[in-house]
Amino acid sequence: NAGVTQTPKFQVLKTGQSMTLQCAQDMNHEYMSWYRQDPGMGLRLIHYSVGAGITDQGEVPNGYNVSRSTTEDFPLRLLSAAPSQTSVYFCASSYSAGGGYTFGSGTRLTVV
Amino acid sequence: SQQGEEDPQALSIQEGENATMNCSYKTSINNLQWYRQNSGRGLVHLILIRSNEREKHSGRLRVTLDTSKKSSSLLITASRAADTASYFCATDAADTGRRALTFGSGTRLQVQP
Repeated sequence: NAGVTQTPKFQVLKTGQSMTLQCAQDMNHEYMSWYRQDPGMGLRLIHYSVGAGITDQGEVPNGYNVSRSTTEDFPLRLLSAAPSQTSVYFCASSYSAGGGYTFGSGTRLTVV
Repeated sequence: SQQGEEDPQALSIQEGENATMNCSYKTSINNLQWYRQNSGRGLVHLILIRSNEREKHSGRLRVTLDTSKKSSSLLITASRAADTASYFCATDAADTGRRALTFGSGTRLQVQP
C-alpha cells in the first residue's frame, strides 16, 4: 500500500516554463488537496477536490490549474512558472473532508 | 490568512520534559487536527478532536479544545529526542464551504537529549 505518491521529488524550472506535478493515491480517497509550504511557514491551500470531476480553489490558486479525471490522480499544473512559485508542494488525501489526511513526501520546486 | 496560529513558534526542552503547544483559530470548526512534520518530510496525522469534544488522548499525546476561546493545545508528555519536529494544527472549518483543511504556521520543537 503506497499511500500518496508525488513525482518528481525535485525540479528546477526556468521562469516561464510550464510543468505538471503528479499526485497519485491508492486508498480510494475522495478528498485530495494541494498545498505549498514556504520556509518557516505553514501550509497554504492551492486547490482541492472532493471527487472525480470536482475541484475548487483554495487560498492561493493563481498560477496553478488542477483537474481530477480519476479518483486516484490529482495533478497540479504550473502554467508559466515564476520565482514566487519556488516552494515545497505537498499533495494530501482523505476518505472525508474532515478526516485525517495522508500526505505525500513533497516536491521541492525551484524556479530560476 | 492562516486559520490557525501556533504558539510558541519555537520550543526547546530537555528529554523527559513535557512540551505544550497552543493553537488559535478564527472560524467555527467541525474538528481540529494536529500533524507532525520531520525536517524535509511530509506531514503525519497525529490526532483529531471533534468540536463537541474537550479532551482526547493518544499515547503520550493529550489534546484539549476550547471552542468558546477558539483554541486548542497539544501536550507531549515525557518527550524524547525523536519528538523533535514541527507541529501544525489544522482546522476543518464549519462555515466557509471549503472542504479541505486549513493549517497554522507551526511550532518547531527541539528536544535535547
